[in-house]
Amino acid sequence: AQSVSQHNHHVILSEAASLELGCNYSYGGTVNLFWYVQYPGQHLQLLLKYFSGDPLVKGIKGFEAEFIKSKFSFNLRKPSVQWSDTAEYFCAVVSSGSARQLTFGSGTQLTVLP
Amino acid sequence: DSGVTQTPKHLITATGQRVTLRCSPRSGDLSVYWYQQSLDQGLQFLIQYYNGEERAKGNILERFSAQQFPDLHSELNLSSLELGDSALYFCASSDGGPGGGQNLHFGNGTRLTVT
Repeated sequence: AQSVSQHNHHVILSEAASLELGCNYSYGGTVNLFWYVQYPGQHLQLLLKYFSGDPLVKGIKGFEAEFIKSKFSFNLRKPSVQWSDTAEYFCAVVSSGSARQLTFGSGTQLTVLP
Repeated sequence: DSGVTQTPKHLITATGQRVTLRCSPRSGDLSVYWYQQSLDQGLQFLIQYYNGEERAKGNILERFSAQQFPDLHSELNLSSLELGDSALYFCASSDGGPGGGQNLHFGNGTRLTVT
C-alpha cells in the first residue's frame, strides 16, 4: 500500500525566511503528487500538483515543489515566507495501484512569526 | 469558496447516538469523497462515490455508512458513536472519473464532538 511521510510536524520560521517541507512517498510505480494547504478554520486547498513532465512544479502564492523520482520525494519550497503562510500543509499521493485514491501525509504545521 | 457545501458545521452529540452529515458537491462533479481528520490519525480516506455508486472504501468503520443520491449530494451516517469518533469530517468532490485521483475540492468540514 502507498504511504506518505512528512517528517516535519511543526516548523517555525520568521518572515522572509526560506521554506522547505519534506515529503516522501512509498510506491515504485507511476504517481501523481499534490500539496494541499489548510489555513486556520478553512478547508483544504490545492497548492500545486505534479502529474508528468517538468519535475519542478510551480503553484499558487509563490510555492513550488520538485519531484525527485530517485528519492521518492516531492518537497515543497518557498524562497521567502510571509505571516499569511501560517497554515497546515499536506502532501498527498495517488498511485496507479491504489484504486487511484488520494493518500495524505500527516501534515506539517507552519508558523510564520511576524 | 470551493463550491462544496457541508452541513452542519458543528455537531455535538452523546455516545451511542447516530448522526448524518451532508455534502453537496461542486456543480458538475460526479465524484464525492469523505475524509476524517483527527489529531491522532491525521487525514484518513473513508469512502468514495461516483455518480451514485460506491467506488472505493478506505478506513471506514462498519458503524459508518454513506450514500450518494441521484442529485449527487452525499450523506455520511455515523452510528453508535464513540468518543473516538470526534473529528473533523471533510467531503470533497472532483470532476475526475470513477477511478479518482484527480483534483479534489474540499468543503469546510463538519466538526463532530461526541461527549
